[in-house]
Parts: sequence; C-alpha cells; structure tokens
Amino acid sequence: GDSVTQMEGPVTLSEEAFLTINCTYTATGYPSLFWYVQYPGEGLQLLLKATKADDKGSNKGFEATYRKETTSFHLEKGSVQVSDSAVYFCALTQSYNTDKLIFGTGTRLQVFP
Amino acid sequence: EAGVAQSPRYKIIEKRQSVAFWCNPISGHATLYWYQQILGQGPKLLIQFQNNGVVDDSQLPKDRFSAERLKGVDSTLKIQPAKLEDSAVYLCASSSSGSSGNTIYFGEGSWLTVV
Repeated sequence: GDSVTQMEGPVTLSEEAFLTINCTYTATGYPSLFWYVQYPGEGLQLLLKATKADDKGSNKGFEATYRKETTSFHLEKGSVQVSDSAVYFCALTQSYNTDKLIFGTGTRLQVFP
Repeated sequence: EAGVAQSPRYKIIEKRQSVAFWCNPISGHATLYWYQQILGQGPKLLIQFQNNGVVDDSQLPKDRFSAERLKGVDSTLKIQPAKLEDSAVYLCASSSSGSSGNTIYFGEGSWLTVV
C-alpha cells in the first residue's frame, strides 16, 4: 500500500544552521504531498504542500520540491531558529482518495541557541 | 475563524473502562476525521465522515471503538472497553470537501492514557 518514509530523529542543530529532513514515498498514481508541523502541546498544522510533480511548496522559510523521479519531498530551510523546534511529519493523499492523509513517523527537530 | 475543538484534552482511565471524546469541526466543513497517534508514530486514520455518513472506517477496531456524527456537525469517538494499547493521542480534523490537495485542519488532540 501507499506509505511515507522519513529520516529518524532527533535532528539537532544550532541556530542559523541549514536544515534538511528527508522524505520519500511509495504510492500509485499521482499523490499530493504535505509537510505538517507539531509544536509542543499543539495540534498538527499544515506547513506546506505540493500537488503535482516539480511543484515547490514554501512557507515560513521552509521549502520542499515534489520529485517524482526520486519519489521524494525533502524539507529544507536555510537558517533555522529556536522557534522551529517541533516534530515534522511528511504525508501524502492518494490520487484516488484525496481526503485520506497517510503520514510518516515524524522527525523531531531540536534547535539550540 | 475558530479551529477544530476537542475535549477533553487529557484523560486517564483503567483498562476495561470506557471513554468518549468530542469534536467540533470548523464551521461549514463537511468532512470530519478521527486519527490515532501512538507515541513515536505518525497519525493513523480511524474513521472519516462526509456530513453524517461514514466514508472510510477500515482501520477502526469496531469491536471496541465506535464513532458517530449525528446531524453532520459534532462527532464523538468512544472506546469501550479500553486496552493498554489504546494509549495515544486522538486527533480530530476537518476539511471542506474533495479537491486534490485539500487542506485538512487538526485539533489539539485528546491525550488518552490507559493504566
């Protein structure tokens, strides 16, 4: 079945470092891809999304590009802040069931000053 | 705009007891979801409603879990009897219906501990 694989955490960085969190997927058809973020004690929030190949989603300095050839949707940010510390989830919705999100296991990011 | 509301936020029960969680989606959202998030894992869909009808409940353990969405607005998720492995965060989410890449909005979750 369809699935999402994320790099294991925690990812520990100093403030202003470059961030990459890897995400790859397995899916039939043409899924839409998402990154959700979960700050401590809060619910999941949509960070960015891409609905077709070569689309780039971006928000709050984060970016991810939908790469169909490598089935990847890696999350990047050029300069992280302490406030970015959270758990990041990669997810997809299937092309034939656009309302069902399938999540990866999440990657915890810890940013230190 | 108010977000997805859930209650209670935290609940501790003994195994074999019952528990119920309540969710109020964003106004006007026809689709409502319940997800289960076990510690260290990503959320897993338990049940999806479209208005007051069930669209997908393939991963709902129906021997102990039940959910309803009377009148197509609020929803309740019930667990009876609870098992230790039901300890998780139960996330309610909602969306307006159907186009590809539709945004799904999540509540803060109801944290359940079964002892």
